[in-house]
Amino acid sequence: AQSVSQHNHHVILSEAASLELGCNYSYGGTVNLFWYVQYPGQHLQLLLKYFSGDPLVKGIKGFEAEFIKSKFSFNLRKPSVQWSDTAEYFCAVNADNNDMRFGAGTRLTVKP
Amino acid sequence: EAGVAQSPRYKIIEKRQSVAFWCNPISGHATLYWYQQILGQGPKLLIQFQNNGVVDDSQLPKDRFSAERLKGVDSTLKIQPAKLEDSAVYLCASSLLGSMQYFGPGTRLTVL
Repeated sequence: AQSVSQHNHHVILSEAASLELGCNYSYGGTVNLFWYVQYPGQHLQLLLKYFSGDPLVKGIKGFEAEFIKSKFSFNLRKPSVQWSDTAEYFCAVNADNNDMRFGAGTRLTVKP
Repeated sequence: EAGVAQSPRYKIIEKRQSVAFWCNPISGHATLYWYQQILGQGPKLLIQFQNNGVVDDSQLPKDRFSAERLKGVDSTLKIQPAKLEDSAVYLCASSLLGSMQYFGPGTRLTVL
C-alpha cells in the first residue's frame, strides 16, 4: 500500500516569505496527487490536484505544486504567503483509484 | 450545491459507551468514505462504500466499529463500545468519480 510523508511538521513564516512544503510518497504505479488545506475551524478543502499532463499544477489562492516522478515528490509552493494562509496542509495520494492515503499534515503559521 | 453534511458536530462520551455518527453525502455521489483523524495526524480511511456496498474496510476495527449505507445515500458509523483512543475527528467524504473527494465538517469525538 502507498504511504505519504510530509517532513515538515510545523512551518513558521513571515508575510511575503516564499513557501515550499515537502511531500513524498511511496508507490511505483500510477498515482493521483492532492493537496488539501484545513483552515482553523473549517473542514478539509481541495487546494489542487494532479491526475496527468503538465507536472506543474496551479491551484487556488496562488498555490502550485510540482510532480517529480523520479523523486516521488509533489511539493507545494507559494511565492509570497499571507497571514490568511495560516492553516494545516495535507498531501494525499490515491493510487489506481484505490483508497486515499494522507500525510500527517504540516501546520503553517504566517506571522503578520 | 449543498456540501457533505455530518452530525453531530461534537460528542463527548465515557469509555465503554456507544456512539453513532451520521453523514449525508453530496446528492448523486455514489462513493462515500469515513475517515478517522487523530490529533496531529492525517485522516485515515476507515471504510469506503460504493452505493450501498463496501469497497474497502481493511482499516476498520471491526470488533467495535461498524458502518452501513443501507439505501446507498446516507451513512452511519457506530462505535460500540468506545475506548479512550477513539477520541478523534470522524470525517465523511463523498465523490462522484472516485478520486475527487469532498469532505464534511467532521464530528469531534471525545472519549473520557
